[in-house]
Amino acid sequence: SQTIHQWPATLVQPVGSPLSLECTVEGTSNPNLYWYRQAAGRGLQLLFYSVGIGQISSEVPQNLSASRPQDRQFILSSKKLLLSDSGFYLCAWRKNLGLAGVYEQYFGPGTRLTVT
Amino acid sequence: KNEVEQSPQNLTAQEGEFITINCSYSVGISALHWLQQHPGGGIVSLFMLSSGKKKHGRLIATINIQEKHSSLHITASHPRDSAVYICAVLIIQGAQKLVFGQGTRLTINP
Repeated sequence: SQTIHQWPATLVQPVGSPLSLECTVEGTSNPNLYWYRQAAGRGLQLLFYSVGIGQISSEVPQNLSASRPQDRQFILSSKKLLLSDSGFYLCAWRKNLGLAGVYEQYFGPGTRLTVT
Repeated sequence: KNEVEQSPQNLTAQEGEFITINCSYSVGISALHWLQQHPGGGIVSLFMLSSGKKKHGRLIATINIQEKHSSLHITASHPRDSAVYICAVLIIQGAQKLVFGQGTRLTINP
């Protein structure tokens, strides 16, 4: 079965400090991977997605970047955190269901980031 | 206006009540997901619908593609059903991304 891991689970960082959140997937190969953010009181927002190693698409301009150094590893980074970067960050992977344009999405446990 | 709108935003009910959460969308979709987010933040996929109706235990999800509307029903609600329920649609155009509703916070009191 497939499993998705994220760490750390919680993180408190000062403004201006760097960030690195890691996501790994087990039990599948060449998955489509996604980073989402859920700000307090708001819905999920897609930040980045990746269809393969080194292939990153950004959905919104922001203070964050993403990298995919290995097939099942997806990293979310920032050089200098802003207060507005606080939120709940979720990694997800996509499982195609064999129907055109239809897939399931599975979410990791999330990382709660507080920027102080 | 958001592409995906959920109602109500908050819902409080007594144990045993029949619950309905609604989702309307304004774009062409290939599928719709209902997700459950527990207080700790973890998200679980409940249903993925392309048409018609699906049932898992006490949960029922329906979708009307023509009316661009979906409902999630919970029968014989229980306090453990308390969570945020999120509707997400898979958009046909572009990168086939999921667009999420704001979520409905459900509280079931014993």
